[in-house]
Amino acid sequence: GQSLEQPSEVTAVEGAIVQINCTYQTSGFYGLSWYQQHDGGAPTFLSYNALDGLEETGRFSSFLSRSDSYGYLLLQELQMKDSASYFCAPPWDTDKLIFGTGTRLQVFP
Amino acid sequence: NAGVTQTPKFQVLKTGQSMTLQCAQDMNHEYMSWYRQDPGMGLRLIHYSVGAGITDQGEVPNGYNVSRSTTEDFPLRLLSAAPSQTSVYFCATQDSGMVGELFFGEGSRLTVL
Repeated sequence: GQSLEQPSEVTAVEGAIVQINCTYQTSGFYGLSWYQQHDGGAPTFLSYNALDGLEETGRFSSFLSRSDSYGYLLLQELQMKDSASYFCAPPWDTDKLIFGTGTRLQVFP
Repeated sequence: NAGVTQTPKFQVLKTGQSMTLQCAQDMNHEYMSWYRQDPGMGLRLIHYSVGAGITDQGEVPNGYNVSRSTTEDFPLRLLSAAPSQTSVYFCATQDSGMVGELFFGEGSRLTVL
């Protein structure tokens, strides 16, 4: 079967660091994607980890351990505009992703 | 480049009516898909296509039809709308060489009364 778990909500203050964890089970073995979605908007691609390890893109970093079916998104120097929902999305084929219910991040001043 | 364009952005239907949600892309991506997003339910895959003339079912295909006559267009048809189809619908594309990276349209918000 295919399943995915991530926290439903996370809160933090501006300037802080927050980590959103994701554990998953899929029939494929293609790594892990992350998407951001602001209220009323469309999901936008943040990162894709094809291999184990940490990938850094500006204030955001994403980590993957394929053997553990585990990954996380690390957001540093939080800003108010980072308030959004974040989805981990493991591909279960080269052209299909699983999306869970996402993690709602609220950043407070 | 417009990217992925969905029309209409908002639509209200009565139960039993039919309609088509349009999706057009100018990125020359082979892969296109339709998702629906309900409150607290995340995104669920309805139908997808890996190229012109090829379509397949996703997680929740019942009540929806698709076709892919060109690379650019991937319309989603609701044959007989039901209140359970009230949702936000997103069309997405993917470059065939870029696993995990989807480009989404702005969404179509459908209400079925």
